[in-house]
Amino acid sequence: DAKTTQPPSMDCAEGRAANLPCNHSTISGNEYVYWYRQIHSQGPQYIIHGLKNNETNEMASLIITEDRKSSTLILPHATLRDTAVYYCIVSQNSGGSNYKLTFGKGTLLTVNP
Amino acid sequence: DVKVTQSSRYLVKRTGEKVFLECVQDMDHENMFWYRQDPGLGLRLIYFSYDVKMKEKGDIPEGYSVSREKKERFSLILESASTNQTSMYLCASSFLRTFFGQGTRLTVV
Repeated sequence: DAKTTQPPSMDCAEGRAANLPCNHSTISGNEYVYWYRQIHSQGPQYIIHGLKNNETNEMASLIITEDRKSSTLILPHATLRDTAVYYCIVSQNSGGSNYKLTFGKGTLLTVNP
Repeated sequence: DVKVTQSSRYLVKRTGEKVFLECVQDMDHENMFWYRQDPGLGLRLIYFSYDVKMKEKGDIPEGYSVSREKKERFSLILESASTNQTSMYLCASSFLRTFFGQGTRLTVV
């Protein structure tokens, strides 16, 4: 699986957009970009994933560069409850013996009042 | 709503005991995983299974074994618990996206 690089920590003001970057320069053509987050003392939670196109759901937007070597997770209006560690992961899509998620250290996002 | 249920939230066991951590999912997923999480080391994959009776070693399988007799249940076994296996253990299941349980905080004394 390709590796990812994320900043160890970021701060964001409540109500502002949080933009979390991720570099994945060795991503291969069949690998997706996944984002998860982990709030303290809970299991990780799925946020969003994408292959080539930008994606949006009720939680966040995912912007993937055209060369697919980096991506940005956008939380449009951060709240205090969005304070968490955010993980960017690249992996083949589900199923079979090749599918697994390898977690890095992630980015600790702190949303400040 | 999707559910991954781990049998215990907190567990205290003695060194040398055989420990079973149970995980059940209700989504008919084929892929299931066991991770452990330690401060400064992040989440590390112990074992995973992509079908009933199938298992694959993850990054840190030493000291652990697993059992997948039914699709919905994936068990992690510590044959002889040691203090360095004190950790948070997280089970997950997956199809297109991965869902995690709430974790079991195991303390081996």
